[in-house]
Amino acid sequence: NAGVMQNPRHLVRRRGQEARLRCSPMKGHSHVYWYRQLPEEGLKFMVYLQKENIIDESGMPKERFSAEFPKEGPSILRIQQVVRGDSAAYFCASSPRGSEQPQHFGDGTRLSIL
Amino acid sequence: EDQVTQSPEALRLQEGESSSLNCSYTVSGLRGLFWYRQDPGKGPEFLFTLYSAGEEKEKERLKATLTKKESFLHITAPKPEDSATYLCAGTGANSKLTFGKGITLSVRP
Repeated sequence: NAGVMQNPRHLVRRRGQEARLRCSPMKGHSHVYWYRQLPEEGLKFMVYLQKENIIDESGMPKERFSAEFPKEGPSILRIQQVVRGDSAAYFCASSPRGSEQPQHFGDGTRLSIL
Repeated sequence: EDQVTQSPEALRLQEGESSSLNCSYTVSGLRGLFWYRQDPGKGPEFLFTLYSAGEEKEKERLKATLTKKESFLHITAPKPEDSATYLCAGTGANSKLTFGKGITLSVRP
């Protein structure tokens, strides 16, 4: 299955540590999106990237959060100095082009902060 | 601000009992309306894209329809394996999806 691959599936961090979440898009997809899902809430957009470029980061907190999609390798969502409120499921999606193309999702990384 | 609202929050059906899930949207310059299915512990699985009012798409027991303000997911003669959370999302020119909170469907045998 050449779907969107996310790792790790589960990640436990203590407050103040760093969390790195990885996403490999579907083959042939150059557009990557990150979403966050909190309990009892819908999926919320965080950031949209193409290879080596951030297209839209309007949903991402300005402090402690960063994202990249390098020329080679997976997309990385990085959370520095994690706090309890960062506990959530983080989903990555990819599409061959932007706009109206369907986005295909991975199975997410469940981040727990102790 | 773009907004997507789904109702009801939860729906319990008897196997074979057809029903509809509602999605109301306010998305500036709508480019596509999407339906996904999400099972516990999994990511959303793409079902349908609708692009213009009046459009309909079908897949097995599911049919999605679109008007200028709403979309409906009709489930005909559901089976227990149709139990899941169904998500509706819209996108405009900015490519990001705005999701509703989802409708949790339970189908009893």
